[in-house]
Amino acid sequence: TQLLEQSPQFLSIQEGENLTVYCNSSSVFSSLQWYRQEPGEGPVLLVTVVTGGEVKKLKRLTFQFGDARKDSSLHITAAQPGDTGLYLCAGPSGGYQKVTFGTGTKLQVIP
Amino acid sequence: GAVVSQHPSWVICKSGTSVKIECRSLDFQATTMFWYRQFPKQSLMLMATSNEGSKATYEQGVEKDKFLINHASLTLSTLTVTSAHPEDSSFYICSATFSGEEQYFGPGTRLTVT
Repeated sequence: TQLLEQSPQFLSIQEGENLTVYCNSSSVFSSLQWYRQEPGEGPVLLVTVVTGGEVKKLKRLTFQFGDARKDSSLHITAAQPGDTGLYLCAGPSGGYQKVTFGTGTKLQVIP
Repeated sequence: GAVVSQHPSWVICKSGTSVKIECRSLDFQATTMFWYRQFPKQSLMLMATSNEGSKATYEQGVEKDKFLINHASLTLSTLTVTSAHPEDSSFYICSATFSGEEQYFGPGTRLTVT
């Protein structure tokens, strides 16, 4: 089983601050995805990274895939209360179309 | 596009009873649907993979006789929790895919067993 460990588990910051969430594995992944999930809802896909070293930007969110494709990071600049939620990384897990989710990072942005 | 719905959004049932949760792909035909459960403050854990017209494939440790999955059409999969107990209380989420590249998630169903 390929495990995806996220850090930190919980993060509470003030509006306007920057933060980085990490997703690490001992296994190589062909791609990694990042999702955000709000309470009582399903996860929503933010981005998919597929190339080692790839950097993708989505407004104030910057996603990076490690050169060895074993890790990824999500950096948020000038966090806003609307960024509050559970952030999940996920990667293919061997079965057809199956994915394994990371342990999750719960972010709270305080106004 | 690519909208997935779940019904009901929440349900409370008594211990020992069975509960059925529906997952529908509203604007596409889903070749595969997945069922996850999520405990409070935890990540999603895959329970089973469901393909239309065939038996579901369950993950290790998931009781197939307790969590019955039926995938009767390309737009509907159902999860029935049989003889539910309080420890089955959880947030159940389905997802559907048609291209194999992205899973589209439903809004989830909160099950509380009293």
